[in-house]
Amino acid sequence: QQQVKQSPQSLIVQKGGISIINCAYENTAFDYFPWYQQFPGKGPALLIAIRPDVSEKKEGRFTISFNKSAKQFSLHIMDSQPGDSATYFCAATLAISSGSARQLTFGSGTQLTVLP
Amino acid sequence: DADVTQTPRNRITKTGKRIMLECSQTKGHDRMYWYRQDPGLGLRLIYYSFDVKDINKGEISDGYSVSRQAQAKFSLSLESAIPNQTALYFCATSDSDRYGYTFGSGTRLTVV
Repeated sequence: QQQVKQSPQSLIVQKGGISIINCAYENTAFDYFPWYQQFPGKGPALLIAIRPDVSEKKEGRFTISFNKSAKQFSLHIMDSQPGDSATYFCAATLAISSGSARQLTFGSGTQLTVLP
Repeated sequence: DADVTQTPRNRITKTGKRIMLECSQTKGHDRMYWYRQDPGLGLRLIYYSFDVKDINKGEISDGYSVSRQAQAKFSLSLESAIPNQTALYFCATSDSDRYGYTFGSGTRLTVV
């Protein structure tokens, strides 16, 4: 049972284009939605994140759009560059005990290739 | 030096063998995690630990065990390795006051 569903599985975009990766979730108890970027041979690294009370967050060329009512969120990469070629994971966090403890649940990943 | 170091980076082992994957961190974080990555499935949580005395099962703990030897060290053991445990394994840490996780570079394990 995958709690965070991610699409597409792979994406090919021309340099300068817009890359869009979509995620959907069911559990309304999720309270934080990060995106991770993973390069080959490396572990995932936090890219950008959003709280569910915010509809959009932008950091440079990366934007998260969040639709709480639809339980969907997406990552937009503007002016995509070959250096953006990586695997992207959406994720969601859930409180797992009292206090600040959180469990991170990942989507299945999207392999992005940006052609030069 | 990396903040989260995993050893070994690659390992091939035979079915039925016991194997240990090690993780050490210099972040000073309380929380440590072991994840498994499989193509098309993302990363799934195996075990997590909030401090040396606190160990918890994750989504896919069957066939695995862990040991938190110190705040900075968290090891994952496969008691009797089987081929479907072939995967990429990641250790991660987090600070109790922040949501971001720091991942190691992974251990690629092949069970033949």
